[in-house]
Amino acid sequence: NAGVTQTPKFQVLKTGQSMTLQCAQDMNHNSMYWYRQDPGMGLRLIYYSASEGTTDKGEVPNGYNVSRLNKREFSLRLESAAPSQTSVYFCASILTGGNQPQHFGDGTRLSIL
Amino acid sequence: GENVEQHPSTLSVQEGDSAVIKCTYSDSASNYFPWYKQELGKRPQLIIDIRSNVGEKKDQRIAVTLNKTAKHFSLHITETQPEDSAVYFCAASIGRNNDMRFGAGTRLTVKP
Repeated sequence: NAGVTQTPKFQVLKTGQSMTLQCAQDMNHNSMYWYRQDPGMGLRLIYYSASEGTTDKGEVPNGYNVSRLNKREFSLRLESAAPSQTSVYFCASILTGGNQPQHFGDGTRLSIL
Repeated sequence: GENVEQHPSTLSVQEGDSAVIKCTYSDSASNYFPWYKQELGKRPQLIIDIRSNVGEKKDQRIAVTLNKTAKHFSLHITETQPEDSAVYFCAASIGRNNDMRFGAGTRLTVKP
């Protein structure tokens, strides 16, 4: 039982390149989330998926797209990377919505030059 | 929009002293308030949480208090140890789907 697995762990991109960050959970959780973490700003929600087949925007969705491929997998795509998207990206999941702690992956450290 | 304010941003205490971190939130419908600890280069990990029907919760050296009227909640760590040094985040639930808003974090340093 690996929990929440993110790949890759590190990536360097050039401005304008595209990239997909992968996230998978093996806990049979319904809801999944993508956050970015920048120094001094905590975790900000990019997109979330309350259940398989649905996705919704969070606080900072611009420049990103997501796909809930199946119940286990939730990917985040940068179509044209910008230096402002340099950040640490965390995926998280919970069993169902409402009053439960989120389980986080180990993060993807993304640098865009 | 909804937000969560967290104070202080940095906190330094001597080993054995207590540490208190405070958060305020704006959404009166928020009803779930977790606290996470994040060590350098690691994932955030839940240390304690509280729901809106409870005013206080304690787990060994860690306690959380909630004042729904004033919309603030606090983390209390007693008898601090060097291994308590980390960044601590508060969060509040928003909306139906457990959408969370996080505070900006508090870097706690416990000096031996």
